[in-house]
This record gives sequence, structure tokens and C-alpha cells, in this order.
Amino acid sequence: TQLLEQSPQFLSIQEGENLTVYCNSSSVFSSLQWYRQEPGEGPVLLVTVVTGGEVKKLKRLTFQFGDARKDSSLHITAAQPGDTGLYLCAGDQGGGKLIFGQGTELSVKP
Amino acid sequence: KAGVTQTPRYLIKTRGQQVTLSCSPISGHRSVSWYQQTPGQGLQFLFEYFSETQRNKGNFPGRFSGRQFSNSRSEMNVSTLELGDSALYLCASSSTGVPYNEQFFGPGTRLTVL
Repeated sequence: TQLLEQSPQFLSIQEGENLTVYCNSSSVFSSLQWYRQEPGEGPVLLVTVVTGGEVKKLKRLTFQFGDARKDSSLHITAAQPGDTGLYLCAGDQGGGKLIFGQGTELSVKP
Repeated sequence: KAGVTQTPRYLIKTRGQQVTLSCSPISGHRSVSWYQQTPGQGLQFLFEYFSETQRNKGNFPGRFSGRQFSNSRSEMNVSTLELGDSALYLCASSSTGVPYNEQFFGPGTRLTVL
């Protein structure tokens, strides 16, 4: 069974700080998705990374897929209160199945 | 394009009852996956349907079942409810027109079992 370990589990920072969330596995994934989830709502897709070494940017968010396609990171520059939420990484295991990390609960204080 | 819709949004049941949850995918999406989300276990895969056929199944007991209709709408059913079935149930749809599994989630159904 493929597992995704996400760290840290909780992160509380001040507005304007930078942060990085890590997603690691011993298995190779064909693609990896990052989602953000608000309380009581479904996860919202932020980005999909497919190629080893790929870097994608979404405004102040930078996503990287490891060269071996086993790990990924999400870096947020100058975090804002609106970035608060649960960040989830998910690896594609095929057959319509995503394997999710445990999530990172981010709180950005003004 | 309208997103994934799920009904009902909230449900309260008692132990031993059964429940049916509904999911309408994004128009044109033919794959629907279901997940259970709990604080302790996170998001766990239940099953996936494509063209009315279950293609993949997670490690859940047989009390959890589903189906998909010809218009790609999907339902999941949980029989003989247990307290531990209290969770947020999410469905996600994806297009088979892309070479990777990019899933779009609905808002979920919050099930509480008393």
C-alpha cells in the first residue's frame, strides 16, 4: 500500500512569513495533486504536477515535484490570513484512486 | 460549468439505519470516486465508478456500496450504520480526457450517526 507522509501537521504563523509543506512517499506516483480545504467544504484543487522536477507557480504558491516523483513540496511566500486552511497532497494510484496525506492545518494570524 | 453537487449536505441517522447519498459530477465527467473523511483517518478512498462499472474499491466493509447511472450520477449506500460511520463523505469527478487523475470534489455530505 502506498503511503503519503505530510509534514508538518500543524503550522501557525504570522502574516508575511514564508512556509513550506512537505509530502513524501517511498512509492512513485504518476501525478500528484495539491488541494486546499475549508472547514465543512470539499477540497479544492490547486495544482497537478506530473513530470519529475516540475515546478508550478500559482501567485504566491510554488509547487515542486521531486525528480523521482516520490515527493513534493508546497512553498507559500508572504502568507496572508486568506491562506488559512487545510492543505492536502494526493498521489495518483491509478484506477480513479487518490492516496491522501494527513494534511497540514495552516493558520495565518494577522 | 457547474461543479460537483452532493445531496443532502447534512444527515443525522441512528445506529442500524441505512443511508443513501447522491453525487452529480461535472458535466462530461464519467468517473466518480467516493471518499470518507474523518479527523483520525483523514481522506480514505471508498470506490470509483466509470461508465456504470465499479473499477476500484478501497478497504471498507461490504456495508458500503455504490452505483452509477447512465448519466454518470452516482449514489453510495451505507447499511446497518455504526457510530464510526460518522464522517464527511466526499465525491469527486474526473475527466478521462486527460492522461492523469485530476479530481474535482463536491462539498460533501456530513453524516452523523447517533
